[in-house]
Parts: sequence; C-alpha cells; structure tokens
Amino acid sequence: GAGVSQTPSNKVTEKGKYVELRCDPISGHTALYWYRQSLGQGPEFLIYFQGTGAADDSGLPNDRFFAVRPEGSVSTLKIQRTERGDSAVYLCASSSRSPGELFFGEGSRLTVL
Amino acid sequence: QKEVEQNSGPLSVPEGAIASLNCTYSDRVSQSFFWYRQYSGKSPELIMSIYSNGDKEDGRFTAQLNKASQYVSLLIRDSQPSDSATYLCAVGGNNAGNMLTFGGGTRLMVKP
Repeated sequence: GAGVSQTPSNKVTEKGKYVELRCDPISGHTALYWYRQSLGQGPEFLIYFQGTGAADDSGLPNDRFFAVRPEGSVSTLKIQRTERGDSAVYLCASSSRSPGELFFGEGSRLTVL
Repeated sequence: QKEVEQNSGPLSVPEGAIASLNCTYSDRVSQSFFWYRQYSGKSPELIMSIYSNGDKEDGRFTAQLNKASQYVSLLIRDSQPSDSATYLCAVGGNNAGNMLTFGGGTRLMVKP
C-alpha cells in the first residue's frame, strides 16, 4: 500500500489480557517508530527501529511492553497483562528521508475494560 | 526530561485572518523542529520542518525558529475553515533516530 497500515484499527480487551498491534510501514522505509497518544495529549514516544533492531526502546513504560520487527518491515507491538491505563491510540510511523519527518498510520485504538 | 509546551487553546480566528501558534521547548541541544497537523480522529501529518534560526515559508505556512529563546512558531496566513485542527509542535535531538518529543497541541478553530 501507499501508506503506513495498522491493524486492528480498534481493539477492546479485558484487564490482564495479551494484545498484539501490527504495523506495516511504507515500502522501503527503514526507520519505524511506535508512539502512544492519549486523549487530549500529544504522541508519546515508545520505541524506534532501524532495520530489524530496536535502536531505542527508552520510551517503553515497563516490561509489559515489547516490540519486534524480525524482517525489517512489519512490526508488532506486544502488550502483556493489559491495564486500564494502557488505553490509548497506538500510532506507528515510518521514515526514510530526514529523521523526524514521519508518516503516521491511522493508529490502533486500544480500550482495556 | 525534555518538555515541549503549547497552549491547548482553542485558538479561534475568523476566516482570512492570520493564525499564530506558539511552542517552547526545554532541551537546548534540540536540533530539529516540526509542525504536525492532526484532524479530529485522524493521525498527525507533517506540514513544516525547520532546522535553522529564522523563518521558513511554504505556501500559506511560515515556521519561525529562535533557538536562543527556545521558541518555535507557526503562522497560517489567509486561514480557512479547513485549517481547523490540532497543531502539534515536535522537537528532535541530534541522535541518529531523532525521536521526537511532541507538545500537547493547540486546537485551532477557523470560523467562516
């Protein structure tokens, strides 16, 4: 596709469950980012991949959050033992030109009941 | 802790007027500065980037950067109702990945 694709667009789960969110970046973009956005706030950085490796995971809030990008393209954000505070829109972005010039997907809205 | 501050608004301007959006940042070593526009229920989209002190113009948009004052602004000339959105200021460092720190955004309303 032409843009960054994220699935699912909406996910409702129960507290304590495991969730996976998928991101398919723009073809050829080597840099991939995950951000989280809560209502009324700006996006908050979670993790950055350059190729297959996580170049910076300093934004992951705790060890319940983990992300992979095994072949340097699609990435999966994994959240274990979900908590109500994890409810947010999870945004994926990719970039190939100047760092910081990000192309965002439409996001995955996670609701933890 | 890097911080990027914006007035949440809403900033209301009449159609055809100039909208002025402001942003301050705390990290003096910041190297790159961006404005993203986010329509309600949509994802952010990049509208301007600026790296050097001064002004940068692109159509109806002008970004202004003053590193000494740690201040960046966005001017929108001839504002249109379609400009109504939340404008996010984002600041990057000098690291290779250039992870961005976003402000909370300013909601702009352009009234016909």
